[in-house]
Amino acid sequence: KAGVTQTPRYLIKTRGQQVTLSCSPISGHRSVSWYQQTPGQGLQFLFEYFSETQRNKGNFPGRFSGRQFSNSRSEMNVSTLELGDSALYLCASSPGTTDDTQYFGPGTRLTVL
Amino acid sequence: GQQVMQIPQYQHVQEGEDFTTYCNSSTTLSNIQWYKQRPGGHPVFLIQLVKSGEVKKQKRLTFQFGEAKKNSSLHITATQTTDVGTYFCAAYKVRKFYFGSGTKLNVKP
Repeated sequence: KAGVTQTPRYLIKTRGQQVTLSCSPISGHRSVSWYQQTPGQGLQFLFEYFSETQRNKGNFPGRFSGRQFSNSRSEMNVSTLELGDSALYLCASSPGTTDDTQYFGPGTRLTVL
Repeated sequence: GQQVMQIPQYQHVQEGEDFTTYCNSSTTLSNIQWYKQRPGGHPVFLIQLVKSGEVKKQKRLTFQFGEAKKNSSLHITATQTTDVGTYFCAAYKVRKFYFGSGTKLNVKP
């Protein structure tokens, strides 16, 4: 099976702009979670989608949003970018049980200037 | 607040030495998972522990889950340069995963 794919792999944006990241889960996986990874804060959970519904949410401001499509692909949007949003954004898929193994994609490296 | 504490933050060892990283929680965990992230890579699942006192081995890696299911450890025997990376524990609590801050392992050849 193909692994989790994320596009784009790298992005450079300026403050105030918005960005959309995409994640395609492993075939058959219905749960997609998003994480932000920074050197200072480590891996932090953003949200999880299952069957097109947000099932869980972390402690991030409303500028961070996401959605999931009927084919389980997911997108994450960040509006009004701030310098502190520079990070590696990781998507992880799992079959669907809430405490399943997380299969991570390669990530999108976002730099905000 | 920090849900899962992981120590140490960094570990530098000579090839052939052993390495251990510890993960602690103030509350009982239903399970704990371990992941490895190579430099420039993404976290890769290593193992999941579910039972109290469980011990699992993968070649030179030994994983333990505490009797009270509040702590876990990963021990690598005779490290090799291929072991370089950051090791994370992840605990499932309140319907989400909390990752430890990770232990970055550097192995000198």
